[in-house]
Amino acid sequence: KNQVEQSPQSLIILEGKNCTLQCNYTVSPFSNLRWYKQDTGRGPVSLTIMTFSENTKSNGRYTATLDADTKQSSLHITASQLSDSASYICVVHDRGSTLGRLYFGRGTQLTVWP
Amino acid sequence: EADIYQTPRYLVIGTGKKITLECSQTMGHDKMYWYQQDPGMELHLIHYSYGVNSTEKGDLSSESTVSRIRTEHFPLTLESARPSHTSQYLCASISQGATATQYFGPGTRLTVL
Repeated sequence: KNQVEQSPQSLIILEGKNCTLQCNYTVSPFSNLRWYKQDTGRGPVSLTIMTFSENTKSNGRYTATLDADTKQSSLHITASQLSDSASYICVVHDRGSTLGRLYFGRGTQLTVWP
Repeated sequence: EADIYQTPRYLVIGTGKKITLECSQTMGHDKMYWYQQDPGMELHLIHYSYGVNSTEKGDLSSESTVSRIRTEHFPLTLESARPSHTSQYLCASISQGATATQYFGPGTRLTVL
């Protein structure tokens, strides 16, 4: 069964600190892995997209890593800001479907305190 | 900034009412999606479309229907709303290519009393 599991479910950190969010998946055949940021009451916004051959990709203070062998990904946030408070969703694209099927994790709810 | 729009943003209605949630995008994307999301839960695909006159049901069983008469427009209709339909509904579109960015609208928060 294709699944995407994220941990932790929620996380609280102080402003300026770093944090790392985890994503494990069983989706196969794998096409790419995406990280989205979703602010409360808004639609998700794409942060990074990584294919099988990419190990790391950065977008400003966000750095995603991918280990396609162990089917794990992480999102590292550096020097957190209050505006980073949001849900971070890991999404895996199934190459085997004509739809271009996307499997969503439940997200990690990050809260940054001043 | 994504050019994908949803209206209304918030809707509170009574049981049994017919409603239509609007979604439009100006990016010319062929693929469009409707997702349902409850608080703290993952997005569930309820409908998708490959292009004009192409619509399919997603994974989550839904009593809603969709239409795709124009590329830019993908409305979702509930013929008779029930309290179990209370949720957030998100519309999305994506261009061609496996690594194409998926763009989401701001969502419609529906409450059925």
